[in-house]
Amino acid sequence: SQQGEEDPQALSIQEGENATMNCSYKTSINNLQWYRQNSGRGLVHLILIRSNEREKHSGRLRVTLDTSKKSSSLLITASRAADTASYFCASFLIIQGAQKLVFGQGTRLTINP
Amino acid sequence: NAGVTQTPKFQVLKTGQSMTLQCAQDMNHEYMSWYRQDPGMGLRLIHYSVGAGITDQGEVPNGYNVSRSTTEDFPLRLLSAAPSQTSVYFCASSYGGTLYNEQFFGPGTRLTVL
Repeated sequence: SQQGEEDPQALSIQEGENATMNCSYKTSINNLQWYRQNSGRGLVHLILIRSNEREKHSGRLRVTLDTSKKSSSLLITASRAADTASYFCASFLIIQGAQKLVFGQGTRLTINP
Repeated sequence: NAGVTQTPKFQVLKTGQSMTLQCAQDMNHEYMSWYRQDPGMGLRLIHYSVGAGITDQGEVPNGYNVSRSTTEDFPLRLLSAAPSQTSVYFCASSYGGTLYNEQFFGPGTRLTVL
């Protein structure tokens, strides 16, 4: 099964509300990265959190990492219509000397005006 | 900087045809990779390169070839297209020759194989 699994698969909220997306993974990671994908476009890097970090902020984004639970969450505060997109977590790990970046299936976020 | 560029944006092939998807980056990144994105599957790594002259297989390499003759270019070749290769293909690059750093993605190529 997927290394990274995201929850929920889809989320619809009103503009101005906060949106929280969760990502779980199975094996130990070196870092976890979050990406945004607007419809029909490529992925854009949002934030990277290292395995020895617990929380990171970037503007309206807050990412937490709980290595004991093998999970991460992405919080978008004060959502805007422009935040409508799919959000992916990607866990970076090294297995038998080989680097891997494993993407989750994504959360589709819709912000309603 | 143009970042990561991909051509073409759309392509329709018949089963058995071959083609090359182009990818270029102008950021002098050592690491480049190809992913395919299918509904409900996330992104899966096809091939990657940690520098010019060095390539390796990812998670789903069958049916695809790559080469890396320059730092800037990383083309993906479909040898004999099959309907199972219908997908959206993304090229990505990162600095430092590693996946540890943030990935920069191209806009994608939407491929349909009939």
